[in-house]
Amino acid sequence: DAKTTQPPSMDCAEGRAANLPCNHSTISGNEYVYWYRQIHSQGPQYIIHGLKNNETNEMASLIITEDRKSSTLILPHATLRDTAVYYCIVRVLNTGGFKTIFGAGTRLFVKA
Amino acid sequence: DTEVTQTPKHLVMGMTNKKSLKCEQHMGHRAMYWYKQKAKKPPELMFVYSYEKLSINESVPSRFSPECPNSSLLNLHLHALQPEDSALYLCASATGPMNTEAFFGQGTRLTVV
Repeated sequence: DAKTTQPPSMDCAEGRAANLPCNHSTISGNEYVYWYRQIHSQGPQYIIHGLKNNETNEMASLIITEDRKSSTLILPHATLRDTAVYYCIVRVLNTGGFKTIFGAGTRLFVKA
Repeated sequence: DTEVTQTPKHLVMGMTNKKSLKCEQHMGHRAMYWYKQKAKKPPELMFVYSYEKLSINESVPSRFSPECPNSSLLNLHLHALQPEDSALYLCASATGPMNTEAFFGQGTRLTVV
């Protein structure tokens, strides 16, 4: 199974960019990298996903290394409301379909 | 409507009770999921339904019984639970089983006494 490794916690100053790293060295060639976040007491929220190329949407940017063994989620201007646990996920193909398996995640604290 | 609605939000049940959790979505999604989340831990996958059929069961004890009566509704029937089953139960849906851009509900916080 492809696994992900993330730092357990990070701090970021409000208004600055938050860069959250993820290692997925066992990722296979056709597997996407997904990012979700979970704000306290809420369900997880999809942020972004990518395969090879860098991706950007209204929430964040995703930078994937050329060898695809790691990626970085960038929140360009972090706000206090971005304080959450951020999960980097690689899907696992099972006989019954794809499984979204959450790793331990990174707890991001955005400070004023 | 881009919501996944879970009811009830909170549930307290005894170990001999039978209760059900309900999850509903009206986005036309054909994959639906149950996750269990203990405090300060990531969500753990329990079941996956694909086109109203159970496609993945992550070796969940039989005291948890999922049901998908139609494409919009997913239930989780609970019977003879243990206190260690107390957790946040999350439902999610996606357009199909090949899509991992899932929409999550706010969860049902279950306490077994």
